[in-house]
Amino acid sequence: GESVGLHLPTLSVQEGDNSIINCAYSNSASDYFIWYKQESGKGPQFIIDIRSNMDKRQGQRVTVLLNKTVKHLSLQIAATQPGDSAVYFCAERSKGSSNTGKLIFGQGTTLQVKP
Amino acid sequence: NAGVTQTPKFQVLKTGQSMTLQCAQDMNHEYMSWYRQDPGMGLRLIHYSVGAGITDQGEVPNGYNVSRSTTEDFPLRLLSAAPSQTSVYFCASSSTHRPGQGYYGYTFGSGTRLTVV
Repeated sequence: GESVGLHLPTLSVQEGDNSIINCAYSNSASDYFIWYKQESGKGPQFIIDIRSNMDKRQGQRVTVLLNKTVKHLSLQIAATQPGDSAVYFCAERSKGSSNTGKLIFGQGTTLQVKP
Repeated sequence: NAGVTQTPKFQVLKTGQSMTLQCAQDMNHEYMSWYRQDPGMGLRLIHYSVGAGITDQGEVPNGYNVSRSTTEDFPLRLLSAAPSQTSVYFCASSSTHRPGQGYYGYTFGSGTRLTVV
C-alpha cells in the first residue's frame, strides 16, 4: 500500500549550515509531491512542490530533489536560520487521486537549529 | 482574507458525547479535507470533499461524519466521542486541480485540539 516516510525523526543543525531532510515513498504511481513546514501550535504551511516529471525545483532558500529511480524526495534548506526550526512533512498524491486532491503525509522530521 | 478558519481551537468531551468541528474557507476552494494528527503518526486523512454535495472517506473515517452543503463550509461530526479520538484535527482546502496547470498545496487551518475523557 501507500506509505510516505521520513528517514530521521530529528535533525539538528548549526545556524548558517545547510539542512537536508529526506523522504522515501513507496507508491510509484505518485505524480506530485509537496513539502510542508509545521511550527508548534500551528497548521502545516506549504513550502514547495514538485511534479513527477521534474527532478529538481528551487524556491527561496529551499530546493526539492526528486529521484524516482529510488523513490526518494529531499528538501534542502540553505543557510538554515532559527526560524526554520519546525517539523517538516512530505506528502504525495497518487495519479489515481489526481481528481480528488487527496494527499498522503509522512510522519515528519523535526528540524532543530542550534544558534 | 481569513483563509481556513477552524472552531473551536480547544475542546474537551466526555466519552459518548457528540460534537461538530467547524471549518470554513473564503478562497472559493473546491477541495476540502479533514486530517487528524497524532504523535508519531503524521497527518491521516479522515474525509474529503471535491465540491459541494460530494464527500468521500479517507484513511480513518470510522466515528466521523461530514457533509458539504456549501463551497465554504465542511463540518466534521463526531457522533459518539471515544478516547481514541483524542487528537489535533486540521481542516484544509485547495483549488481545483486542472491537468496541465499547477496544483497548489493545501491551505491548512490552525487546528482543533480535542481531548476525550
